[in-house]
Amino acid sequence: AQTVTQSQPEMSVQEAETVTLSCTYDTSENNYYLFWYKQPPSRQMILVIRQEAYKQQNATENRFSVNFQKAAKSFSLKISDSQLGDTAMYFCAFANQAGTALIFGKGTTLSVSS
Amino acid sequence: DTGVSQDPRHKITKRGQNVTFRCDPISEHNRLYWYRQTLGQGPEFLTYFQNEAQLEKSRLLSDRFSAERPKGSFSTLEIQRTEQGDSAMYLCASQLEDQPQHFGDGTRLSIL
Repeated sequence: AQTVTQSQPEMSVQEAETVTLSCTYDTSENNYYLFWYKQPPSRQMILVIRQEAYKQQNATENRFSVNFQKAAKSFSLKISDSQLGDTAMYFCAFANQAGTALIFGKGTTLSVSS
Repeated sequence: DTGVSQDPRHKITKRGQNVTFRCDPISEHNRLYWYRQTLGQGPEFLTYFQNEAQLEKSRLLSDRFSAERPKGSFSTLEIQRTEQGDSAMYLCASQLEDQPQHFGDGTRLSIL
């Protein structure tokens, strides 16, 4: 069975600084999808970034980028130029196919302060 | 695109009562998922529909839980004889083919 592990329950960063959230996963599949979702307090979960395992190039979305290490089964999220609005719970998620259920980690609470 | 809509936002009920939640997916999204999220945890998969067919159910979905998606549009999740352990946020997500899942705001269930 696939598992997703987020080893940092809480992280904090100052505005404008860079922070990296860690995620490791376990699977025997060769092709799969990895995601980072953001869940602000009392608000809905939104997709931050998606990575297809068959793509070697790391995905980027504006200030958000990932470091995908397939052999190490590691999928970290880097947030550059942190903003107050980045304060949220961040979940790493895995799907063995595009149209299947997501398996989530326990999340990392990120606090951005001024 | 009005997003995934869930109703109600918050449900408070006494133990032993039945509750039903509704999810309206994004129009034309053929896949619909239900997840359960307890405090401080990530969402856990409950069940999944492709159009009107329920294709997968988690072992978390006990006999007291039932879900439907008539005509492949909105979906309902019913919990019968609620228990304290059912207290959680119930999230619905919809998906078009292999695009990422879009989540609703969730229904928070509190069992007294």
